[in-house]
Amino acid sequence: EVQLVESGGGLVQPGGSLRLSCAASGFTFSSYDMHWVRQATGKGLEWVSAIGTAGDTYYPGSVKGRFTISRENAKNSLYLQMNSLRAEDTAVYYCARDNRVAGFDYWGQGTLVTVSS
Amino acid sequence: NFMLTQPHSVSESPGKTVTISCTRSSGSIASNYVQWYQQRPGSSPTTVIYEDNQRPSGVPDRFSGSIDSSSNSASLTISGLKTEDEADYYCQSYDSSNFWVFGGGTKLTVL
Repeated sequence: EVQLVESGGGLVQPGGSLRLSCAASGFTFSSYDMHWVRQATGKGLEWVSAIGTAGDTYYPGSVKGRFTISRENAKNSLYLQMNSLRAEDTAVYYCARDNRVAGFDYWGQGTLVTVSS
Repeated sequence: NFMLTQPHSVSESPGKTVTISCTRSSGSIASNYVQWYQQRPGSSPTTVIYEDNQRPSGVPDRFSGSIDSSSNSASLTISGLKTEDEADYYCQSYDSSNFWVFGGGTKLTVL
């Protein structure tokens, strides 16, 4: 059974940093592209970052230069380093597996990040 | 840049059929696959349609997807509505410039 379990969320001040983790199990992690997707309370889904099996990374303009996605295949883990955090980054952050046809097939339960003073 | 536009909300009665649209603002809807996700309150999204019209195992055949190049849109149709179908539904697609893009979501009320 595919499982994705996020951790690392919490309260951080504006301008601060936070590192999210996603523990994957139930599939060959190294063979799949992976993503982070976020959702502000009461709002829609927003793609945040992607990493390919070769370590290639992709970001939307809203987080480029502030967020860094990485993976550690030996630990079946995905990470999101978030720097220079802003109030508008407040959201539930989901780890999601790529479905190999430009979508997502499995999602974690999410971890809440709150950026506030 | 392209956007995917969905109606904010739709409502229908149990047993009826509802269709949710997803219109692509630029570029062809057929150029990249469309996915649809269901998100019940307090839960993570789950896939109900992938590759425009494919259902994952476990998703009932009451759910179907299609694309229409003439209107540059995708549609999710749910027939025989059940109260358990009440949820938010998101379409999603991709292109090499904007990467992964979601529609704004549609709140389905089954009343």
